[in-house]
Amino acid sequence: NAGVMQNPRHLVRRRGQEARLRCSPMKGHSHVYWYRQLPEEGLKFMVYLQKENIIDESGMPKERFSAEFPKEGPSILRIQQVVRGDSAAYFCASSPLGQADQYFGPGTRLLVL
Amino acid sequence: QKEVEQNSGPLSVPEGAIASLNCTYSDRGSQSFFWYRQYSGKSPELIMFIYSNGDKEDGRFTAQLNKASQYVSLLIRDSQPSDSATYLCAVNSDAGGTSYGKLTFGQGTILTVHP
Repeated sequence: NAGVMQNPRHLVRRRGQEARLRCSPMKGHSHVYWYRQLPEEGLKFMVYLQKENIIDESGMPKERFSAEFPKEGPSILRIQQVVRGDSAAYFCASSPLGQADQYFGPGTRLLVL
Repeated sequence: QKEVEQNSGPLSVPEGAIASLNCTYSDRGSQSFFWYRQYSGKSPELIMFIYSNGDKEDGRFTAQLNKASQYVSLLIRDSQPSDSATYLCAVNSDAGGTSYGKLTFGQGTILTVHP
């Protein structure tokens, strides 16, 4: 029973480039959440998605960040024109329909040079 | 006032002792409460969740919830060095009133269990 999968595990980008982070939820889970953990800071909610729907994006920065969870394929968190302040660990979590418990993937560590 | 507050620690206990981790939250409408364990450089791992007032036990772990006091705690009995990690309290405070949605995390408490 595979857990939440994220790739890549590590991503290095130069300022101004685009970063694409992928997340496949656990089998049978229909909710996907993205969180960001900045160095020495806590986990912060970014966005909550179901298939083809963004349910809550209250934690997403207004510019450069977008997320999707298409009918087929993984959820994608996209960061355009990355800046050094985007360097962080980005975690994806999933939960079953109608349940609150969330299970985290291994994370993507983004480093912006 | 932070939405979810935890003592940052570090909390140090000897092997075999009981470790007590505390968390308070500000949103009275919160419905679901979670404890995660995070080892350095790793992702958070769900160890307990609790929805109702009172105690919930799972092995060496006991979660306690008091909604009137807006307080949730985690007790770890017979602490082991492998329990040394950061413990994150998380609260579901979805304004829509559903039982699922975004989690708000505390800053975490660093626990060290020394032999």
